[in-house]
Amino acid sequence: EDKVVQSPLSLVVHEGDTVTLNCSYEVTNFRSLLWYKQEKKAPTFLFMLTSSGIEKKSGRLSSILDKKELFSILNITATQTGDSAIYLCAVADFGAQKLVFGQGTRLTINP
Amino acid sequence: GAVVSQHPSWVICKSGTSVKIECRSLDFQATTMFWYRQFPKQSLMLMATSNEGSKATYEQGVEKDKFLINHASLTLSTLTVTSAHPEDSSFYICSALAGVNYEQYFGPGTRLTVT
Repeated sequence: EDKVVQSPLSLVVHEGDTVTLNCSYEVTNFRSLLWYKQEKKAPTFLFMLTSSGIEKKSGRLSSILDKKELFSILNITATQTGDSAIYLCAVADFGAQKLVFGQGTRLTINP
Repeated sequence: GAVVSQHPSWVICKSGTSVKIECRSLDFQATTMFWYRQFPKQSLMLMATSNEGSKATYEQGVEKDKFLINHASLTLSTLTVTSAHPEDSSFYICSALAGVNYEQYFGPGTRLTVT
């Protein structure tokens, strides 16, 4: 059975700090790993990763995938209060098309 | 592009009644849509995969007679919660597959409260 585990489950830091969120996975036939940010409504797409070692970057957020060790990290530098959200990691396999989500990391940025 | 809408965004209904939630892909065609539910402080749980023109595939533990899914066109899937109970109160989110990389785009969600 496909499985996604995120850590930590909860993280509280001060504005300006850098955070690293972790996602490890087990999937039968890996196609891609996706990161989402969820505030009060449905998740919004951040990154999709398919290849090992290639960093994807968007502003202060970046992410990288290690297909050998079966994990990904999401980095946020110079955090702001608006980064407070639940960050969800999900994996997709070629067979089922569906996404399997991790439990999420609840990130709180204090001013 | 790849915008997904849901309607209604919020609904309150009485126990025993049925509620229909619509999920539409606004600027693309989606042969496959997904329905999730999310309880407070929990992650998204996939309920079913909805395929246009065929029966939905339900995840283990999800009652197909209670959560009726219809995907009658390439831009619309509906989820009907039948004989709703207070424990069905949850946040229901749909998503649609789009693009060559099968990215999922999420609707804004529907908050259902059953009294």
